[in-house]
Amino acid sequence: DQQVKQNSPSLSVQEGRISILNCDYTNSMFDYFLWYKKYPAEGPTFLISISSIKDKNEDGRFTVFLNKSAKHLSLHIVPSQPGDSAVYFCAASVGIQGAQKLVFGQGTRLTINP
Amino acid sequence: DAGVIQSPRHEVTEMGQEVTLRCKPISGHDYLFWYRQTMMRGLELLIYFNNNVPIDDSGMPEDRFSAKMPNASFSTLKIQPSEPRDSAVYFCASSSHRDVNSNQPQHFGDGTRLSIL
Repeated sequence: DQQVKQNSPSLSVQEGRISILNCDYTNSMFDYFLWYKKYPAEGPTFLISISSIKDKNEDGRFTVFLNKSAKHLSLHIVPSQPGDSAVYFCAASVGIQGAQKLVFGQGTRLTINP
Repeated sequence: DAGVIQSPRHEVTEMGQEVTLRCKPISGHDYLFWYRQTMMRGLELLIYFNNNVPIDDSGMPEDRFSAKMPNASFSTLKIQPSEPRDSAVYFCASSSHRDVNSNQPQHFGDGTRLSIL
């Protein structure tokens, strides 16, 4: 039972254009949502997050949108740069037993073409 | 800040052998997490510790898997006996606060790529 789903295994975008990565979830108890970025042979690194009480959070070129009614979030990167080519993981957190557990999606491989 | 350190980076061993993966969390972090990454299931949480005590091991796939944290600066994940289906990348992560927000995210190591022949 995959509680967090990224239905697009890969995405290819032209440099300078907008990249939109999507994520769906099923558990309405999730209270935080995060995006991690992963380069080959490295661990995931935190990119941006959003609380379940908000619908948008922006950090430079990166914006995350949350649609709670649709149980959907998206990451917008604009403008896209070659260094953005990586695997992006969507994650959701739920507080259990006094700590936050992260549930990850399967990841989307983003390729930025020059 | 040295980050989360995992060893070895790569491990290739034969089926049935014991495998031990090691992790040194960021100094001062009181939460430690072990994850497994596979193509089919993405990143899955196996177990996590708080102040060296295992809190939730519901993600550990079988009794063949065990994890320990003897002190605040060291943790191991052991597989005995190993099987080919255990082949995956195993990540360790640590965090310093209960809240997973933009200021206190989980920090990941670079992982151990495990291949069981």
